[in-house]
Amino acid sequence: DVKVTQSSRYLVKRTGEKVFLECVQDMDHENMFWYRQDPGLGLRLIYFSYDVKMKEKGDIPEGYSVSREKKERFSLILESASTNQTSMYLCASSSDRGSTYEQYFGPGTRLTVT
Amino acid sequence: AQKVTQAQTEISVVEKEDVTLDCVYETRDTTYYLFWYKQPPSGELVFLIRRNSFDEQNEISGRYSWNFQKSTSSFNFTITASQVVDSAVYFCALSEAGYSTLTFGKGTMLLVSP
Repeated sequence: DVKVTQSSRYLVKRTGEKVFLECVQDMDHENMFWYRQDPGLGLRLIYFSYDVKMKEKGDIPEGYSVSREKKERFSLILESASTNQTSMYLCASSSDRGSTYEQYFGPGTRLTVT
Repeated sequence: AQKVTQAQTEISVVEKEDVTLDCVYETRDTTYYLFWYKQPPSGELVFLIRRNSFDEQNEISGRYSWNFQKSTSSFNFTITASQVVDSAVYFCALSEAGYSTLTFGKGTMLLVSP
């Protein structure tokens, strides 16, 4: 079974803090993704990575950065957290093998910025 | 540009009723993949099914069935004899061949009452 884990289920941070959200997958997947989910807006792609040290901007990259130093780990960084970044953050991974593209998701991190 | 529309924001049914969740997509590609995901209250998105654009056969898995019609660009999901455990947000998604990213619809919240 594919396993995607995220470092925290719930996180409370203060405005201006630097925030790290960690994601680890154990299926040797090439691709990893970060989304945020907000009521009425669905899932929006922040960044994705198709290889170690590679990253691509998604639909809403402003205010975020990412790091992928190892294949299994993909980190989302909020350089200076703001209240409008309060959201549910979902990490996912997928394989290029078989070109099937389905993504497997972690449990999510609900971040509150006060 | 690709787009996925789930026009039903919220559906409420009583247990044992059948329910159909609609999904309409737009793409210029001839090769693409369609997906359905379930997000129960716990928050983790669970992959349910993938169809490719060359396979229009309907699929049935237990109480779940999917109707893919290229003529109407639709990929609808039916739950037969719904149960309380089916209560969740359901997302339809699209991926074009050669791209690892998914475009998600905004989701349909299904509430099944006892």
